[in-house]
Amino acid sequence: DSGVTQTPKHLITATGQRVTLRCSPRSGDLSVYWYQQSLDQGLQFLIQYYNGEERAKGNILERFSAQQFPDLHSELNLSSLELGDSALYFCASSVRGLGNEQYFGPGTRLTVT
Amino acid sequence: AQKVTQAQTEISVVEKEDVTLDCVYETRDTTYYLFWYKQPPSGELVFLIRRNSFDEQNEISGRYSWNFQKSTSSFNFTITASQVVDSAVYFCALSETTDSWGKLQFGAGTQVVVTP
Repeated sequence: DSGVTQTPKHLITATGQRVTLRCSPRSGDLSVYWYQQSLDQGLQFLIQYYNGEERAKGNILERFSAQQFPDLHSELNLSSLELGDSALYFCASSVRGLGNEQYFGPGTRLTVT
Repeated sequence: AQKVTQAQTEISVVEKEDVTLDCVYETRDTTYYLFWYKQPPSGELVFLIRRNSFDEQNEISGRYSWNFQKSTSSFNFTITASQVVDSAVYFCALSETTDSWGKLQFGAGTQVVVTP
């Protein structure tokens, strides 16, 4: 158990819908990262927050957004969902940022039908 | 461009054999960090090891060992005396200083299958 929690574990929704994925980092970790894992793209970095502020952005679609709250939990919002958004979405946390190992949550498997 | 290359797609071994996973990375940074993660069939990503670019000392931790060579930009990982529970996908990852907040860039992964 990494100490990072993610909910829900599975999500099935239709195209055009909007979903919210939730992540709680390990106790004491200030950085939260979101990654997407798909068969064709592999593991891709989406976005990172540190102590409530966005710090780095990867190949995140404009339809996706995220935020980190004062209690340090984070949410990833995916809207206008397309079939290609079906993937495993991971949240990871680390103490700070560069150089710290990241601990991953169990992931949320999103299926868009 | 892919910065981390794991050329081996799948490796199949019989239990107790050693397994070496190759990882080649590309960076212009002088300070960077390398990681190995394991993804068992259950799907979670498990942190295994981290090295920084200043420390080329190769270490052994239990049945795991790694060989970091800056001259060839390689960071290989070996599982000694493999067990069925080692069956998983193993990912090598790079974190560069220019991405100062530590995002991980992953290779495509190597599937390790250990049969009894």
